[in-house]
Amino acid sequence: DTAVSQTPKYLVTQMGNDKSIKCEQNLGHDTMYWYKQDSKKFLKIMFSYNNKELIINETVPNRFSPKSPDKAHLNLHINSLELGDSAVYFCASSSKLVVSRGYNEQFFGPGTRLTVL
Amino acid sequence: GENVEQHPSTLSVQEGDSAVIKCTYSDSASNYFPWYKQELGKRPQLIIDIRSNVGEKKDQRIAVTLNKTAKHFSLHITETQPEDSAVYFCAATNSGYALNFGKGTSLLVTP
Repeated sequence: DTAVSQTPKYLVTQMGNDKSIKCEQNLGHDTMYWYKQDSKKFLKIMFSYNNKELIINETVPNRFSPKSPDKAHLNLHINSLELGDSAVYFCASSSKLVVSRGYNEQFFGPGTRLTVL
Repeated sequence: GENVEQHPSTLSVQEGDSAVIKCTYSDSASNYFPWYKQELGKRPQLIIDIRSNVGEKKDQRIAVTLNKTAKHFSLHITETQPEDSAVYFCAATNSGYALNFGKGTSLLVTP
């Protein structure tokens, strides 16, 4: 029944490694996002995909590469991990065609806590 | 791009009191303003939102007001309860695709 799911929930890795985070939504939404929440709880948009196409790419290092194989999935691959990449990464989804409580309510996944040692 | 300022960063109230959190935004084209609540270790969840063609919206103990001219919007929580303790985020968007969040307000409701 989970609407937006992410794996893994926790990820601990060494500097310089490459890792991926997977996201899936079963809400039938056409737009998916990646947000980064730093240690001060600040939530910042990283990427947005609509119908598998990249529509927003904020000033994120090109070590971060999102991939959307289909509308229900948006994965995040990170190369050459750095200490500053440690954060909680949230996937989210929404649809302008699906009117729920809000105009464009974004549903968040449970988050992936990435720790780079 | 859009810049959202949120105040205060921390707020402590006694149970039963009201709490008010204020946000300002910079992009006059922004037309959607949601508020999210994030409990410790959990995901952000939408609690209320407002569109730019509406000045006020209420849902039980929570309400949001929007002043487009001044470019600010506020969250009001009445009759606060300990379970209201969380971090609250305001956000704004003009594209409908990416939310620009404020830096959050940590609300503590003491019994």
